[in-house]
Amino acid sequence: GAVVSQHPSRVICKSGTSVKIECRSLDFQATTMFWYRQFPKKSLMLMATSNEGSKATYEQGVEKDKFLINHASLTLSTLTVTSAHPEDSSFYICSARGGRTDTQYFGPGTRLTVL
Amino acid sequence: AQSVTQPDIHITVSEGASLELRCNYSYGATPYLFWYVQSPGQGLQLLLKYFSGDTLVQGIKGFEAEFKRSQSSFNLRKPSVHWSDAAEYFCAVGSGGGADGLTFGKGTHLIIQP
Repeated sequence: GAVVSQHPSRVICKSGTSVKIECRSLDFQATTMFWYRQFPKKSLMLMATSNEGSKATYEQGVEKDKFLINHASLTLSTLTVTSAHPEDSSFYICSARGGRTDTQYFGPGTRLTVL
Repeated sequence: AQSVTQPDIHITVSEGASLELRCNYSYGATPYLFWYVQSPGQGLQLLLKYFSGDTLVQGIKGFEAEFKRSQSSFNLRKPSVHWSDAAEYFCAVGSGGGADGLTFGKGTHLIIQP
């Protein structure tokens, strides 16, 4: 149990385009989902926290207009990178909290490459 | 602000030998501490967590960790490593259990020598 999926697993896009990444909790209802960014050889950095049905809370330094987060249901959250640029290239990981415990369960991540 | 330090970027251990990965944290209140493992192409998997109670925590895959408040440490141990343990290990601290986002250390890359 407690499986979180992400789609796509990797995406390559041109500079200036927008990319949507989906995060789904497959076998539990996720009251809260988190989005992290992982740079090469670096730790995961929390970008934002999203609660179902409400606006996401962004960490300091994360542009909310750049990284749009929607948590429309208890099993789905989406991260849209708008007007992507090469510096947005990174590994984006989501996690979901819910089920029987407060443990966060992580998705496999999405590799974004912006050309 | 909370922070996590993993002082070892890489560790090489022979298969069958014991392992200890270090983690120090900075947090103003009682911390919620976690160890995750990340293998290539896979998501982070929770090895163990400490919220309260017994300071020696048992996890999956034969791992354990000990919370030492006086040293602000939460080191991960395994008595005998297997080649399949080669991966990236992350220590993390959070508040409110899993209610808040986690602060991660930079990770320790574990290499297993045959």
